[in-house]
Amino acid sequence: QSALTQPASVSGSPGQSITISCTGTSSNVGSYHFVSWYQQHPGKGPKLMIYEASRRPSGVSNRFSGSKSGNTASLTISGLQAEDEADYYCCAYGGSRTYVVFGGGTKLTVL
Amino acid sequence: EVQLVESGGGLVQPGGSLRLSCAASGFTFNSYEMNWVRQAPGKGPEWVSYISADGRTIYYADSVKGRFTISRDSAENSLYLQMNSLRGEDTAVYYCARNLWLTTGAFDIWGQGTMVTVSS
Repeated sequence: QSALTQPASVSGSPGQSITISCTGTSSNVGSYHFVSWYQQHPGKGPKLMIYEASRRPSGVSNRFSGSKSGNTASLTISGLQAEDEADYYCCAYGGSRTYVVFGGGTKLTVL
Repeated sequence: EVQLVESGGGLVQPGGSLRLSCAASGFTFNSYEMNWVRQAPGKGPEWVSYISADGRTIYYADSVKGRFTISRDSAENSLYLQMNSLRGEDTAVYYCARNLWLTTGAFDIWGQGTMVTVSS
């Protein structure tokens, strides 16, 4: 069982928006803004999409956005495109003892 | 081009050892914190170990503490993971991952991964 809880799957049609939640605890998501999100296509390594809960690395589309409230972080993808179909993982810092923990992942299907 | 290339994976029997290497290129290796992250087949990533840019601060996941050792060599621009007393649950693709500059716990560059299979 992962330390961070994500829905197993979400789906949406091209052009729509979807939101993936990531629920942690007061020891990780609730205490630090160091939440990141990763996209992973089959057979590929993870790609950083969001860091510090809401910041986008250079080169990531502005269709991807992140937010955090209390113990829950969220990733929103607007204007869904076929290439967004992938697994998405959240990751949160939990202090020096645990460093980071990952969520179990959410499979995004673009209908 | 910024790149991380892992090597050293393979098939090993339970209780055995392996040493993974990660060759870094295209950036100033000794300025960046580095990590090992693993992903078991069909599962999500699991952070394994962290090492600071100067090598003085090291963290391990509880699942590998006492069995795995992370290290780095700035002269070789390389990151290492010595894995001892391997178990079946250590079977995974192992990635080295670079910490994003000036933040915590965000990994902006990943290698292609090296597969470790622990089985008799």
